[in-house]
Amino acid sequence: ELKVEQNPLFLSMQEGKNYTIYCNYSTTSDRLYWYRQDPGKSLESLFVLLSNGAVKQEGRLMASLDTKARLSTLHITAAVHDLSATYFCAGNQGGSEKLVFGKGTKLTVNP
Amino acid sequence: DAGITQSPRHKVTETGTPVTLRCHQTENHRYMYWYRQDPGHGLRLIHYSYGVKDTDKGEVSDGYSVSRSKTEDFLLTLESATSSQTSVYFCAISPGRPDEQYFGPGTRLTVT
Repeated sequence: ELKVEQNPLFLSMQEGKNYTIYCNYSTTSDRLYWYRQDPGKSLESLFVLLSNGAVKQEGRLMASLDTKARLSTLHITAAVHDLSATYFCAGNQGGSEKLVFGKGTKLTVNP
Repeated sequence: DAGITQSPRHKVTETGTPVTLRCHQTENHRYMYWYRQDPGHGLRLIHYSYGVKDTDKGEVSDGYSVSRSKTEDFLLTLESATSSQTSVYFCAISPGRPDEQYFGPGTRLTVT
């Protein structure tokens, strides 16, 4: 059974700083997904990582996948206040239609 | 944005009453999902559907039932609501397996 763990669960950082959110998963996952959720809002898809070594970037966010280590990272470069949100990673075991989500990382970027 | 609507968006109900939440999509996607989101738990899958009249259980299905009589609609029913079912419920859709899922706006349900 796939389990997904994120850390840290809470992250407070200053504008302009860099940081990384980690997503570990317990068994093979066909793909790895990253979502963003603003307070009181729905989830927005950020990245879908398909294979080992995959790297995707959008603005100040960069996601990568290491299937051998069963690890995905979401790197934040020069954080700005607008990036404050909760970020979730999710995997699917063996190509299943079911996603398993981590508990989320609540990111607060302070001026 | 994917065409997904949920109704109602907010509901307060009493313990023991039945409740039905509706998810409607205009994307003609095959897969539809119901999740609940609770603090400290992330999102947990309740039920999902892989076609009209084809449904299966997720991680937290006890106390919930679903139906899908048309491609565009997926209903979640709480047969006898309990306070532990107070939560935010999200519907999601996906064109195939294992494509990314697109989420609806959510329904906040309070059971008193």
